[in-house]
Amino acid sequence: AQSVAQPEDQVNVAEGNPLTVKCTYSVSGNPYLFWYVQYPNRGLQFLLKYITGDNLVKGSYGFEAEFNKSQTSFHLKKPSALVSDSALYFCAVRAKRSTDKLIFGTGTRLQVFP
Amino acid sequence: SQTIHQWPATLVQPVGSPLSLECTVEGTSNPNLYWYRQAAGRGLQLLFYSVGIGQISSEVPQNLSASRPQDRQFILSSKKLLLSDSGFYLCAWSVLEVGVATGELFFGEGSRLTVL
Repeated sequence: AQSVAQPEDQVNVAEGNPLTVKCTYSVSGNPYLFWYVQYPNRGLQFLLKYITGDNLVKGSYGFEAEFNKSQTSFHLKKPSALVSDSALYFCAVRAKRSTDKLIFGTGTRLQVFP
Repeated sequence: SQTIHQWPATLVQPVGSPLSLECTVEGTSNPNLYWYRQAAGRGLQLLFYSVGIGQISSEVPQNLSASRPQDRQFILSSKKLLLSDSGFYLCAWSVLEVGVATGELFFGEGSRLTVL
């Protein structure tokens, strides 16, 4: 069975500091991995995805994520946080070669303080 | 390009009244369609998904139903709302062809339902 874990309910970081939002997954075979962001009262917006190849994936708004197969992780990162990055972030996984639905984590609220 | 429209954006309904939320997708054919509910700004609960016209799968037993009368239209309904139906409802679409698409979801802007 597929699953995703986001171990932190909330991450607090000062503006200008690097940020990391953690995600680990479990899936049979190779995964597709995704990050989404949700601003208050808005739908989820796609940030980035890992399909294959380079383990470091770059996405929208300066975010990047690192795929680590041995640790089954796909942590979201940004070198310098902005107050406007404050939002709810979701990690999601789906097995390649599968028609299974995307499985979402429970979300991590990122709070960037000025 | 593909777009997804969801309406109404906000709805306040009394307990026992009916509900209809609509979602349409443009720019793609035969998408997979989904209804999610999000309570208190947290996790997503998948309510229904559809792989084609008239094909609806329910993920959890509840007071709600879904219909797909056209290829790119997905409707969430209830005959009698409960207080517990309050929440933020999100429609989404994807393409899930193995070896063709990676299956990410694209979401509408959401409908906030308050049942009083």
